[in-house]
Amino acid sequence: GAGVSQSPSNKVTEKGKDVELRCDPISGHTALYWYRQRLGQGLEFLIYFQGNSAPDKSGLPSDRFSAERTGESVSTLTIQRTQQEDSAVYLCASSPPRDSYGANYGYTFGSGTRLTVV
Amino acid sequence: GQNIDQPTEMTATEGAIVQINCTYQTSGFNGLFWYQQHAGEAPTFLSYNVLDGLEEKGRFSSFLSRSKGYSYLLLKELQMKDSASYLCAPSSYNTDKLIFGTGTRLQVFP
Repeated sequence: GAGVSQSPSNKVTEKGKDVELRCDPISGHTALYWYRQRLGQGLEFLIYFQGNSAPDKSGLPSDRFSAERTGESVSTLTIQRTQQEDSAVYLCASSPPRDSYGANYGYTFGSGTRLTVV
Repeated sequence: GQNIDQPTEMTATEGAIVQINCTYQTSGFNGLFWYQQHAGEAPTFLSYNVLDGLEEKGRFSSFLSRSKGYSYLLLKELQMKDSASYLCAPSSYNTDKLIFGTGTRLQVFP
């Protein structure tokens, strides 16, 4: 597609329920990233996928959080047993491969999923 | 590792010039991104500096000094629509992931 697509755009869930957030990256972008942004805060890195390499999960805040990616396509971020502190906007981004000089072309972000845990 | 520092908030008047500074400590540094984020929206790319010096793009310019670990974003002829958060993100050879600064929230007043 033309841009990074995230769904749903808004999700309200009850505390303790599981949620799945979906990200569809730009075609041809080998890398995919998930970030969390709490109200009025900066972007908090969660997890990063690059091609077929093992994902960098160093930002996941607890074992309630997990993510999968099918090849270089769609990714799903799952939050189990949601807590009120999980309320935030979850942003997905993708980036193309570096060029032959190693230049990094940065990210294109999706519009995010606003998660509210009540 | 990463250490990024930028001011939390700035205010300016329409038509003025504002400079948003960012200092960083990044292992394997290979360039620095600036992103703009309007309230309730996703960040969008503004600039990417690899070499030292000033790069100008319309009303926005970005400066980098690799030896000092310092960058700034310069916004000229400020407009109300420039009210947004500006995020500094140094990049590294070691990884494609970006760690963002906390962002500088700029408010432009008439």
